[in-house]
Amino acid sequence: TQLLEQSPQFLSIQEGENLTVYCNSSSVFSSLQWYRQEPGEGPVLLVTVVTGGEVKKLKRLTFQFGDARKDSSLHITAAQPGDTGLYLCAGFKAGGTSYGKLTFGQGTILTVHP
Amino acid sequence: NAGVTQTPKFQVLKTGQSMTLQCAQDMNHNSMYWYRQDPGMGLRLIYYSASEGTTDKGEVPNGYNVSRLNKREFSLRLESAAPSQTSVYFCASRRRDRDTQYFGPGTRLTVL
Repeated sequence: TQLLEQSPQFLSIQEGENLTVYCNSSSVFSSLQWYRQEPGEGPVLLVTVVTGGEVKKLKRLTFQFGDARKDSSLHITAAQPGDTGLYLCAGFKAGGTSYGKLTFGQGTILTVHP
Repeated sequence: NAGVTQTPKFQVLKTGQSMTLQCAQDMNHNSMYWYRQDPGMGLRLIYYSASEGTTDKGEVPNGYNVSRLNKREFSLRLESAAPSQTSVYFCASRRRDRDTQYFGPGTRLTVL
């Protein structure tokens, strides 16, 4: 059972286009993280959103956490070839039997063509 | 400060062989994790260790065992490798009071 549904799985766009990646769940998370992974490397954290409705910006990347803390989105403005990679969302639940565990979405493979 | 290191980087096994994947972190983190990554599946948690001396099963523990050797090291063992265990394995660590997990570079394992 995939608790975090990420869409789309694949995205192939031209340089300069905008795009949005979605991460949806029926579960509530204490925080939602977005990672970027390049071939042959481990995921690297881009941002953590904690508060429902929170919006964070990282240059051309905008991250939003849903009001109910069940979903999130990543929007990239004017995509560049350097944005190419695998983007992963991950939900974090603190405490209880889920102590410290991250639940990952399936990932979105983004290819930005020059 | 190397962060999270994993060895080996690549490994090919025959069905039935055993091996241990090594992971070490130098950030004095309490929690450590083992994931496997397969196409279209994201990362799935195999085992984790909330603190030194404790280990717990994750989402896909069957066929694996772990040892939290000390605070720095967390190893993953495949006793009898199967082709279904062909995957990329990532180790991660986390500080107790932070959500962020730091990942190693991964071990690419092929079981023939």
